[in-house]
Amino acid sequence: QITLKESGPMLVRPTQTLTLTCTFSGFSLSTSGMGVGWIRQPPGKALEWLAVIYWDDDKHYNSSLKSRLTITKDTSKNQVVLTMTNMNPVDTATYYCVHRVTLGTYFASWGQGTLVTVSS
Amino acid sequence: DIQMTQSPSSLSASVGDRITITCRASQRISNYLAWYQQKPGKVPKLLIYAASTLQSGVPSRFSGSGSGTDFTLTISSLQPEDVATYYCQKYGGAPYTFGQGTKLEI
Repeated sequence: QITLKESGPMLVRPTQTLTLTCTFSGFSLSTSGMGVGWIRQPPGKALEWLAVIYWDDDKHYNSSLKSRLTITKDTSKNQVVLTMTNMNPVDTATYYCVHRVTLGTYFASWGQGTLVTVSS
Repeated sequence: DIQMTQSPSSLSASVGDRITITCRASQRISNYLAWYQQKPGKVPKLLIYAASTLQSGVPSRFSGSGSGTDFTLTISSLQPEDVATYYCQKYGGAPYTFGQGTKLEI
């Protein structure tokens, strides 16, 4: 059974850097084909894909946010970390950690999500 | 980047109705399309991948079709528990863009 859980601050001040950690179980990110990604959803709005990292350390980012995002993995800890710089109130959203299946980059397993509010 | 456009944005139907949601890609994406269901206050759930393959455990009243740029999600007989927002997502190459969602009400 695959589980993912997001952790990080609930409140971030404008201009600060957000660091979110995804801790997962049920698979290894060193296994060929595996990947972990991040998706966010502002309150009442649509899903927005942010980033994904693969077993071979290949990484992809949302084009509009690429300059602000960094995704890394710690295979030994079963963790993936997403950092987003220069946070703004429009970045207020629920941030989901997701598992990428080996057949393609779609997401069959999701974390519960963590609401991050950006406010002074 | 390839854009994904869903229609309609919202839809009201009756129990037992057959409903169809459309997703259009701005460029051809073969069959690299997934559909998700998000019930109110819940985490999104994968329904369909590869445009028409039903994820394990998803009721057979859900089906998907399409290839290239035009895709559809069909619910053959709408049930009360199908009230949700539905999203399409393209894959096969980054970025892995979602549609804007279709809110389905009864």
